[in-house]
Amino acid sequence: EDQVTQSPEALRLQEGESSSLNCSYTVSGLRGLFWYRQDPGKGPEFLFTLYSAGEEKEKERLKATLTKKESFLHITAPKPEDSATYLCAVQANSGNTPLVFGKGTRLSVIA
Amino acid sequence: NAGVTQTPKFQVLKTGQSMTLQCAQDMNHNSMYWYRQDPGMGLRLIYYSASEGTTDKGEVPNGYNVSRLNKREFSLRLESAAPSQTSVYFCASSATGTSSGNTIYFGEGSWLTVV
Repeated sequence: EDQVTQSPEALRLQEGESSSLNCSYTVSGLRGLFWYRQDPGKGPEFLFTLYSAGEEKEKERLKATLTKKESFLHITAPKPEDSATYLCAVQANSGNTPLVFGKGTRLSVIA
Repeated sequence: NAGVTQTPKFQVLKTGQSMTLQCAQDMNHNSMYWYRQDPGMGLRLIYYSASEGTTDKGEVPNGYNVSRLNKREFSLRLESAAPSQTSVYFCASSATGTSSGNTIYFGEGSWLTVV
């Protein structure tokens, strides 16, 4: 069974204090690993897709990396507007398998 | 750019009532999905439609039915609502088999309360 575990559940950072969010996964052949951002009262917003170990993608203060067992979302010098819940999801490499989501990490950045 | 549009945004139902959540996408995507999101449980797949004319059960299908009306529209029906179906419901869509992979794009959500 495909599984995604995100840690920590919640993270509180001071503005400018860099950190990383973790996404550990178990999947029968990885087609893609996805990161989303979700603001309160909104739908998840797509950030990145990673397809193979060693791949990295960046967007502003965010950088996502991928290994064979986990992915990290690195946040460099965060700002209060980076506060959100970050969701990780995986898709297995078999047919049209839907995404399986983790429970998310709730990030608060304090000014 | 509308993307994925869901209606209604908020709804209160009494136990036993029925209702349909509507979803439409304007991205010409083949696949559509219904998820529910509950505190501490994350996003869980209810039903999905890989292409027009097909539907499949997800992780938590009991108490729900779906209809893929056409390529654009995918509705979720609660035949006899129960308090356990109080949740936030998200519709989503993805382009299957393209170079962009199967990135899922979400609607803004429908808040349903069953009393």
